[in-house]
Formats: sequence, structure tokens, C-alpha cells
Amino acid sequence: QSVLTQPPSASGTPGQRVTISCSGSSSNIGSNTVNWYQQLPGTAPKLLIYSNNQRPSGVPDRFSGSKSGTSASLAISGLQSEDEADYYCAAWDDSLNGLDWVFGGGTKLTVL
Amino acid sequence: QVTLKESGPVLVKPTETLTLTCTVSGFSLSNARMGVSWIRQPPGKALEWLAHIFSNDEKSYSTSLKSRLTISKDTSKSQVVLTMTNMDPVDTATYYCARILSSGWSYYFDYWGQGTLVTVSS
Repeated sequence: QSVLTQPPSASGTPGQRVTISCSGSSSNIGSNTVNWYQQLPGTAPKLLIYSNNQRPSGVPDRFSGSKSGTSASLAISGLQSEDEADYYCAAWDDSLNGLDWVFGGGTKLTVL
Repeated sequence: QVTLKESGPVLVKPTETLTLTCTVSGFSLSNARMGVSWIRQPPGKALEWLAHIFSNDEKSYSTSLKSRLTISKDTSKSQVVLTMTNMDPVDTATYYCARILSSGWSYYFDYWGQGTLVTVSS
């Protein structure tokens, strides 16, 4: 059971816009920034979005992130076949139990 | 060019201690804005953070695994070492090391190693 909640799957056709949600709580998303990672099949995760909505150099502007309250979203516009991957959100979690990095359970994106 | 590479055993027996090494290049473990984390991923499952260490030797561990983990670094060798005691088959996973970069109030894993699959079996 992941601390951050993501839908297990999402899909879209080429050219479409899809969004992936990430729901947390006041101890993680509500008080810290959110990062998103893309994991292509058989490869290591890659940073996609950091600090809620910032794109690292080299990430296409088709990818965008947002955050509101205790939830965050990743949007992919102009969907392409190479976007088929698993997507994970992550944030610091600062609770009474300690300070941990927490991840979402991952969303498998299928390009139909 | 920033790279991280994990190394260690591919197979460990239950109850044994796992020792993994992350060798980094392209940056220094003494850089104040940077740290290194260990993250694992069981086959077909989600990512799970294990531990991190920063340049000032500040360390933090997963609350659920804290009693079994130790992280350390050797700046001169550009290596970060993770030990996990009392291994169990449920610890079978791909273990990644990743660089942590801080930017203002934000922290994120900006570079990842390729990962190393560790299987726990007798």
C-alpha cells in the first residue's frame, strides 16, 4: 500500500492529452514539493518533473505538472507512442513517524 | 557527465547481510547541494525509498526498515555503501542508487543508476 495514491492505469490515443493524478496528505504533498518520474520498460526511472511543475533540461514541454492542496497531477499532451511507460509521483513525507521519501504506486500509461 | 553505478551480489541467502556499493562520477559527494539515496523496486511493483546520505554526512532511513539499514560514504572513493541485515525473500528487488539534488526548498532524484537485481533465496 503506497502512501501516495495513483490510478494503476491510464490510456490514450496518439495526439491526445492524458492526466495522471497523485493524491496524498498534509504531511507529504500538502507541505512539500512533488516530483514525477518516468520509467520506460526495463529501464531505470528518469526525472520528468521536479518542484511540482519544473521540467529538467531535455524533457519536452508536452509534459507538465501541477499541485493543489494535497493532490498533484501530471499532464501529457500530444501523446506519442514513446510515452508508453510507468509514471511515479514522489514527495517528502514528514509525519510523527519520521521523515521519509514516499512514492505513488505507479501508473502504467498505454498508448492505444 | 553524471553517472551512478550499483554493484553487489546478485544472490543472497535468507538471514544474510546485503552490502551494495554505489560508485558515482561526474560530481563530488562533498558537494553541499547533493546527496545519494538508495531506492528499491520489487519485480512488477512500485518504487520504495530506503535511505539517503548528504555531503555533511546527514543520514536518513526508511521508517519501516530503519533497524536493518546502514548507509555510509567514502568521499575519496566516490562511493556510497548500503548494508541491509537479515535479508528475506521479500527483499528481492532491483536496487537503485540515485543522486539527490537540492534547489531551494526542493529535493529530487535527478540521476539514477541502472539498478542491480538482488535475489534472496536459499
